[in-house]
Amino acid sequence: DAGITQSPRYKITETGRQVTLMCHQTWSHSYMFWYRQDLGHGLRLIYYSAAADITDKGEVPDGYVVSRSKTENFPLTLESATRSQTSVYFCASSESISSNQPQHFGDGTRLSIL
Amino acid sequence: ELKVEQNPLFLSMQEGKNYTIYCNYSTTSDRLYWYRQDPGKSLESLFVLLSNGAVKQEGRLMASLDTKARLSTLHITAAVHDLSATYFCAVLFMWNSGNTPLVFGKGTRLSVIA
Repeated sequence: DAGITQSPRYKITETGRQVTLMCHQTWSHSYMFWYRQDLGHGLRLIYYSAAADITDKGEVPDGYVVSRSKTENFPLTLESATRSQTSVYFCASSESISSNQPQHFGDGTRLSIL
Repeated sequence: ELKVEQNPLFLSMQEGKNYTIYCNYSTTSDRLYWYRQDPGKSLESLFVLLSNGAVKQEGRLMASLDTKARLSTLHITAAVHDLSATYFCAVLFMWNSGNTPLVFGKGTRLSVIA
């Protein structure tokens, strides 16, 4: 089925560990985005990508690394997890940054860092 | 600074009543999106407003955009319990180098009670 898939859906890890969140889309959308959602902050952009091998920082990039070797995948890595990175992470995609169509969101990954 | 402000942030309303959620933004934009999020779920697109004066309606929800006032409204008519959710507006800002990624408001948590 066409869509955007995030994995895992839930993850518990410890401070200092590396963790990677996966995002895969089947629409061949050029743009992909990573957001974190926290109470009182709404959605904040972490990183985005305009195409394979092109990435750019969003509002809250510190502590995160992304890559985009293939159009359909956009993994997000926390290289040394901290408790402040406990959050719900959403991946999204769209045809262009100013598309007449909305961004499509994945189901989210709920990440807890102990 | 790119800011998107929603108000109210929390709204409890009785079934059958009307109400409006406001979304103000800080600088030039001609594109605004409304999303709905149910608890523990992903974001679902409701409306895409592409120009000044745009009005879109779906069921009991109607959204409008006034780019001169930098304001969008989401009007709820004769609320029903199924409309209980969090509603986000997101703005695509126009910048010197092109469009910026979407900036989201903090969301309005709507609770419709009998």
